[in-house]
Amino acid sequence: AQSVAQPEDQVNVAEGNPLTVKCTYSVSGNPYLFWYVQYPNRGLQFLLKYITGDNLVKGSYGFEAEFNKSQTSFHLKKPSALVSDSALYFCAVRVASGGSYIPTFGRGTSLIVHP
Amino acid sequence: NAGVMQNPRHLVRRRGQEARLRCSPMKGHSHVYWYRQLPEEGLKFMVYLQKENIIDESGMPKERFSAEFPKEGPSILRIQQVVRGDSAAYFCASSPQGLPTDTQYFGPGTRLTVL
Repeated sequence: AQSVAQPEDQVNVAEGNPLTVKCTYSVSGNPYLFWYVQYPNRGLQFLLKYITGDNLVKGSYGFEAEFNKSQTSFHLKKPSALVSDSALYFCAVRVASGGSYIPTFGRGTSLIVHP
Repeated sequence: NAGVMQNPRHLVRRRGQEARLRCSPMKGHSHVYWYRQLPEEGLKFMVYLQKENIIDESGMPKERFSAEFPKEGPSILRIQQVVRGDSAAYFCASSPQGLPTDTQYFGPGTRLTVL
């Protein structure tokens, strides 16, 4: 079975400060990891994904995430937060083994960036 | 370049009525996933379809819920005899293939309210 944990329901950060949204996963086999963002009353938008290769993945809107196999983590980061980054962030994992490759999503972390 | 389209965006039904939710995937995508989102509960997988086939319906309630993705036309999620507990946001996502590395692209969702 695969699972994703986003240990923080909410993250608060001041505009201009760096932000981190945490994600840890548990899978059997090699993971494929994804981050999505959801703005109010909207669908999820893809930010970035880790498939293989460089552990540091760069994505949309200045976000990046670091894959850490030993810590089974895939934390989302941004050097300087914007008020417009305030949204709900979801981490998801899929595995490379057989089956229908259904992703498992975390419960989401609400990011609030204060002016 | 239209993205994933869902309609209606908002749907109000009385208990016992039927709800039909439609999803048109991105052009060139033949794989559709349906999810349900409840407040504070994140995104829950319901069903995965390919044209004319249900690939995985492990997340679908056994009764009252059904889904199809015909050769022509949108995918439809059908909920019969709705109850108040069916009130939620329903999202569909599409991908070009059913690979674990695929990015899923989400529609804006249908918000179902059962009175």
